[in-house]
Amino acid sequence: SQELEQSPQSLIVQEGKNLTINCTSSKTLYGLYWYKQKYGEGLIFLMMLQKGGEEKSHEKITAKLDEKKQQSSLHITASQPSHAGIYLCGADTWGGSNYKLTFGKGTLLTVNP
Amino acid sequence: GAGVSQSPRYKVAKRGQDVALRCDPISGHVSLFWYQQALGQGPEFLTYFQNEAQLDKSGLPSDRFFAERPEGSVSTLKIQRTQQEDSAVYLCASSPGLAEETQYFGPGTRLLVL
Repeated sequence: SQELEQSPQSLIVQEGKNLTINCTSSKTLYGLYWYKQKYGEGLIFLMMLQKGGEEKSHEKITAKLDEKKQQSSLHITASQPSHAGIYLCGADTWGGSNYKLTFGKGTLLTVNP
Repeated sequence: GAGVSQSPRYKVAKRGQDVALRCDPISGHVSLFWYQQALGQGPEFLTYFQNEAQLDKSGLPSDRFFAERPEGSVSTLKIQRTQQEDSAVYLCASSPGLAEETQYFGPGTRLLVL
């Protein structure tokens, strides 16, 4: 089965600082999804990456998928308290069809004002 | 339109009790997924529906777990004779089509088995 390792497990930053969360796969990633989860809530879709070298941005969040399609990073610029939450990476385990996502354990982000 | 909704949001059950968790997907979404999320873990796949057909139930942990989507829209996850290890958040997700579509998640049902 495909395993996803996220690092760090938790992160505390001061408001305004930049940060990066990593997601590494033991197998080639056919589709990599980033979600955000707040306690007691469901997952909020952030971005999806499919092609090696692909990079997407939304507001102050940028996600990249490396050329080998085994590692993805999520970068937040000038963090704000609203960015706090659990960031989860999920991967398509069926080689091209969106199905049966496998998730990492998540990275807990705290942003101190 | 509205997102994925789930009910109840919280459920406390006594060990041995049967529970039913409901998911209302986004209208018109073909695919529906159930995931189980234990505390401090990422969601784990349970089962997948394409319209009313249950195409994959490989993630259901035991035969006490049963899911259905009889009319291809609302889905119910039923757990019989609940055990303490069933305590988790149960997440439902739906996607518009059949492949390579983003899954949109509901708020989850937090189940606590005492």
